[in-house]
Amino acid sequence: DIQMTQSPSSVSASVGDRVTITCRASQGIGSWLAWYQQKPGEAPNLLIYAASSLQSGVPSRFSGSGFGTDFTLTISSLQPEDFATYYCQQTNSFPRTFGQGTKVEIK
Amino acid sequence: QVQLVQSGAEVKKPGSSVKVSCKASGGIFSSYGISWVRQAPGQGLEWMGGISPGFGTANYAQNFQGRVTITPVESTSTAYMEMRSLRSEDTAVYYCARDYSGSFWSWGQGTLVTVSS
Repeated sequence: DIQMTQSPSSVSASVGDRVTITCRASQGIGSWLAWYQQKPGEAPNLLIYAASSLQSGVPSRFSGSGFGTDFTLTISSLQPEDFATYYCQQTNSFPRTFGQGTKVEIK
Repeated sequence: QVQLVQSGAEVKKPGSSVKVSCKASGGIFSSYGISWVRQAPGQGLEWMGGISPGFGTANYAQNFQGRVTITPVESTSTAYMEMRSLRSEDTAVYYCARDYSGSFWSWGQGTLVTVSS
């Protein structure tokens, strides 16, 4: 199975800050990576697919990059509604696997 | 826009089975895959398994192979996830999701399954 490792596990940031979350795959996955946002009590929501493609309706302050084993999710200017937990997921092979999550908290 | 609506919360005894439904609306049901993902209390996301577009194949995570069955019913645009031999560690919220090339584009609202004696 492909292991996905996110860092950091949590980050404290202020509104307006730039936030970067990294995700590393245990083997190369090309661009087969998705990012999700999950707020407490809600289902996850797809933000980015194919490593860098923004899902329809997702604000442009979210961006994704990377290829192979190293990927990043960047929030260019953190907004109050962005405080949530973020997960990466490899879509390259079965079983699909997720990172452990990164919680973005208010500083 | 595909919308997924799941069945309600369940309380089960250890050793019993549970069957959760996921009814889809919008789009052509057989044109997309459906995956199931669970989330234990305070924990991360765990992919359980899924069925491919056209319902050609089902794939399961090793942890669930033989204990979970995912079944589509095209006539009602509903997918089912049945889990057998429940144990307390299976207490979680179970989500279905529309699977497009492995990314989960829309999700059900989640179904809490509580396993307790």
